[in-house]
This record gives sequence, structure tokens and C-alpha cells, in this order.
Amino acid sequence: AQSVTQLGSHVSVSEGALVLLRCNYSSSVPPYLFWYVQYPNQGLQLLLKYTTGATLVKGINGFEAEFKKSETSFHLTKPSAHMSDAAEYFCAVKGAGYSTLTFGKGTMLLVSP
Amino acid sequence: DSGVTQTPKHLITATGQRVTLRCSPRSGDLSVYWYQQSLDQGLQFLIQYYNGEERAKGNILERFSAQQFPDLHSELNLSSLELGDSALYFCASSDSLETQYFGPGTRLLVL
Repeated sequence: AQSVTQLGSHVSVSEGALVLLRCNYSSSVPPYLFWYVQYPNQGLQLLLKYTTGATLVKGINGFEAEFKKSETSFHLTKPSAHMSDAAEYFCAVKGAGYSTLTFGKGTMLLVSP
Repeated sequence: DSGVTQTPKHLITATGQRVTLRCSPRSGDLSVYWYQQSLDQGLQFLIQYYNGEERAKGNILERFSAQQFPDLHSELNLSSLELGDSALYFCASSDSLETQYFGPGTRLLVL
């Protein structure tokens, strides 16, 4: 079984501040980890993913995430928030092969000027 | 643009009715997944098809069914609709079984 916990349903930052969105997972097999972003009235867009190899993963729009096995975490960061980053962010986990994707409940990122 | 298309974008219907949602995967993707997104339940996996065959089932109600056709497009059928079925329904597709690419969704409103 697998699960994802995203700490904080809402995170507020000022423009230019560090963005940190937390994700912890549980998985009985080596996990594949994903971050998706959902802008209002749109579908989910893949930000970045970790499958194997380098634990620091860079994604689109300046986001990155680090897989920490010992902490079962995959937190998403961005050094400097932009107004256009305001959206809902979902962390997700799956195992290799045909296992299904399990999503966290999402974190709404609010960016103020 | 993920390359996954879904129709219709919006659907308004009444309780007890039946609707069909359609999804066309990215070119070459054999797997199609259906999800339901609602405020109270979040993103819930419903069902997966791979090259026409059902591969995995999630929290899909018996009133709901899906299929994937030889041209790889998929349809999700929702019947005996209830108010609580109002939600966003997403389709996703993948090729390598690793990464899923999502369509824009169909917003269903049951009145």
C-alpha cells in the first residue's frame, strides 16, 4: 500500500520568497515520486519526477525536489516565488510497473505581492 | 498542452441520467487512466486500461464503467447519476508506465 501526506492545505508566501511545499510518502516498494501543478480550471501538469538515480530533481519553472529515503520525503522548493506560481500542487507516489498513482490532498500556494 | 484531449469540457445533467465522457490519449500511449476530483475526496483513481484491457481498478462505483477501444480512445460511462457525482473527471495517459500526462478534464454538474 502507498500513501502521500502533504503538510498544509494552504501555504502563503510573498513574491520573491522561498517556496517550500512538504510531501511525505509511504510505500512498500521503491517509490516513483511526482509533483504536479494545477492552475485554476485546468488539468494537472507534471512539474518534476523522481524514478531512480540522482535524488535532487529539477523541474519546470525553477522548481526542484529532493528525494530523501531516510525521511520518506520529497519536498518541493523554489528559491524565489513568482505571482504566476499561485496554483494547487499535488505530490504523488507509485511503485514501478503497473502500480497506480496515489495523490496527496494538495497544497494551495498563495503568492502575495 | 499535454496531448491528452477530453470531451466535453462541461456537462450539466439531472439526477438519474447517464453520461459518457471521452478521452483521447497522447499519440502512442497505450495506457489510459480515469480520475475523479472533488472538494471532499480529492483526486481519486477510478480505473486503468492498457491496450484495450482493464489493468487496475480503484474507487470506482458499480454505476460507473469504462472501456478502451481499438484506436486507444477511452470512454467513461456514468449512470444513475447522483448529486454527489458532481466533480471534475480527468483522463491521463502514459507510455512507459512511469509518468501520467493529464487531460484538461470534464466538469460534471448533476442537478
